[in-house]
Amino acid sequence: ETGVTQSPTHLIKTRGQQVTLRCSSQSGHNTVSWYQQALGQGPQFIFQYYREEENGRGNFPPRFSGLQFPNYSSELNVNALELDDSALYLCASSTQGMEEETQYFGPGTRLLVL
Amino acid sequence: GENVEQHPSTLSVQEGDSAVIKCTYSDSASNYFPWYKQELGKRPQLIIDIRSNVGEKKDQRIAVTLNKTAKHFSLHITETQPEDSAVYFCAASITGGSYIPTFGRGTSLIVHP
Repeated sequence: ETGVTQSPTHLIKTRGQQVTLRCSSQSGHNTVSWYQQALGQGPQFIFQYYREEENGRGNFPPRFSGLQFPNYSSELNVNALELDDSALYLCASSTQGMEEETQYFGPGTRLLVL
Repeated sequence: GENVEQHPSTLSVQEGDSAVIKCTYSDSASNYFPWYKQELGKRPQLIIDIRSNVGEKKDQRIAVTLNKTAKHFSLHITETQPEDSAVYFCAASITGGSYIPTFGRGTSLIVHP
């Protein structure tokens, strides 16, 4: 198992609410990426944080936002939740600037929006 | 941006048979190709990867081949076992700077005992 942890494991929200998901990166990793994985689909890139700055963003609206902290842990915030936001949210940590930039995934947070 | 196509979406084999999953990519600048295995309800786990300066890589029963000219790469699993049953994802990316892999849609591999 990787050293990447996420909380909470499961979450149920209603449409219009806001949610915050958390990720602790693997020791020695300085980069955190967030993905949305709908049922039966591959992970879709949301954004990436490196040294507390957004370092790339996928095709997601501004109501998806994030933070990275000095200890490299990260948060994903989603405002004005929609039913289609129901998915598994995965974070992955990696190390930029090294030859090995493989991402290691956390266990995910399963979000259900009713 | 990069586009990764993965086939087949479902693959059913008998225990002991070989399984092959194929992916194509669109961006010729992509130079790193990891493969992930995701068991039901669990996180994707890296099982093997290949870089563009290598044509083939093996790790016990798993191998990956890369054809840069044709822009496709494949995962080969020999002597399949029931515990190989899972969803397999390929990805393509450019290392250096923002490392952001693009994933295929996944292949559900079912190994029948």
